[in-house]
Amino acid sequence: NAGVTQTPKFQVLKTGQSMTLQCAQDMNHEYMSWYRQDPGMGLRLIHYSVGAGITDQGEVPNGYNVSRSTTEDFPLRLLSAAPSQTSVYFCASSYSRGAKAQYFGPGTRLLVL
Amino acid sequence: GENVEQHPSTLSVQEGDSAVIKCTYSDSASNYFPWYKQELGKRPQLIIDIRSNVGEKKDQRIAVTLNKTAKHFSLHITETQPEDSAVYFCAASKREEEYGNKLVFGAGTILRVKS
Repeated sequence: NAGVTQTPKFQVLKTGQSMTLQCAQDMNHEYMSWYRQDPGMGLRLIHYSVGAGITDQGEVPNGYNVSRSTTEDFPLRLLSAAPSQTSVYFCASSYSRGAKAQYFGPGTRLLVL
Repeated sequence: GENVEQHPSTLSVQEGDSAVIKCTYSDSASNYFPWYKQELGKRPQLIIDIRSNVGEKKDQRIAVTLNKTAKHFSLHITETQPEDSAVYFCAASKREEEYGNKLVFGAGTILRVKS
């Protein structure tokens, strides 16, 4: 199993540009989520999904969109990039039922100029 | 909503000594408490977790304790080694209806083990 994969590893954007961060998992996990990691602030939840066709907002959703058309994929879209979105983005997945360990992808480092 | 506070923000210990990191949570409905280790430039990786029906859990040199009454839980690392140097995150989660596993993370602790 590849586990949780993310692409790209690193991206530079200009203010106002849009892009999609890809996340995929091959563990048949129902639950998938996106976090951003900023220095001194831990990991903050952006959006999450409990299954195909079901998504919801996390703690810091503004400026991001998600969709979940399949169990495997959970892309994160930046609509109009801003310097405040410079961060490291992690995707994670887990089984939904009960409290289960989440497994993280390798991360995408995003720089918005 | 849930709030998780983590202390200390940095911790330096001598190799072989013990390290303790403490977290407090605000939502008494939280029932799952994982700890993650993140090495520089890498992804967070689960090292140990505990559920609210258990007071303590051990895995070799790592242990976690939970005090539900006081709403705090701690990570204990004994006989620290240089490879334990990393950022450690605590988190809390509660089961929402039949689905959901939203984790709320602490801000992290930078652990440095000096040899």
